[in-house]
Amino acid sequence: GAGVSQTPSNKVTEKGKYVELRCDPISGHTALYWYRQSLGQGPEFLIYFQGTGAADDSGLPNDRFFAVRPEGSVSTLKIQRTERGDSAVYLCASSFGTDRYNEQFFGPGTRLTVL
Amino acid sequence: AQKITQTQPGMFVQEKEAVTLDCTYDTSDQSYGLFWYKQPSSGEMIFLIYQGSYDEQNATEGRYSLNFQKARKSANLVISASQLGDSAMYFCAMREASNTGKLIFGQGTTLQVKP
Repeated sequence: GAGVSQTPSNKVTEKGKYVELRCDPISGHTALYWYRQSLGQGPEFLIYFQGTGAADDSGLPNDRFFAVRPEGSVSTLKIQRTERGDSAVYLCASSFGTDRYNEQFFGPGTRLTVL
Repeated sequence: AQKITQTQPGMFVQEKEAVTLDCTYDTSDQSYGLFWYKQPSSGEMIFLIYQGSYDEQNATEGRYSLNFQKARKSANLVISASQLGDSAMYFCAMREASNTGKLIFGQGTTLQVKP
């Protein structure tokens, strides 16, 4: 079946602009996660959705970052007034559940470059 | 606080030989899961192997095995019979049962397999 998909694969924007990054999880997966990976680092957790609600947004760096999942499937990560420090690969993952043994399946990521 | 430490930024191994990638973790939870992911230069995160905190036997998946030493809080990945296609970044990650299921990643180890 289809895996996790993310669009766009690459996004180049100018400082101060608004961007939206989309994630389409595996069908039937209720849990959805966003991570951010800076060059040479491990992914860092941003936000987690269970169904439509954000169950944990403790990883969002500041109020310029916001994410939604209105119908419990596709999610959009929104970044306002982008800064050069926001440049990174944004990874989305989904899983069937949130138990410790539930594998998270990752999408290919969106590489965001803020000029 | 939960933390994953990978102390080897880079490793080399000769093709067909075995290699061990180190991972130590810190958690106060009794119930947790440990994961290893592979990230080739193409960027996708590929799940390799899982070990649960209550599992008595070390996990194995093909050429991958996990040397789980709970008392030492270590979960080292062993790759046997290395292949050129194993060259990639490897991440150790932990998921706590009490913590919404988000993954905490280490800094990663870059593995290069020499022909």
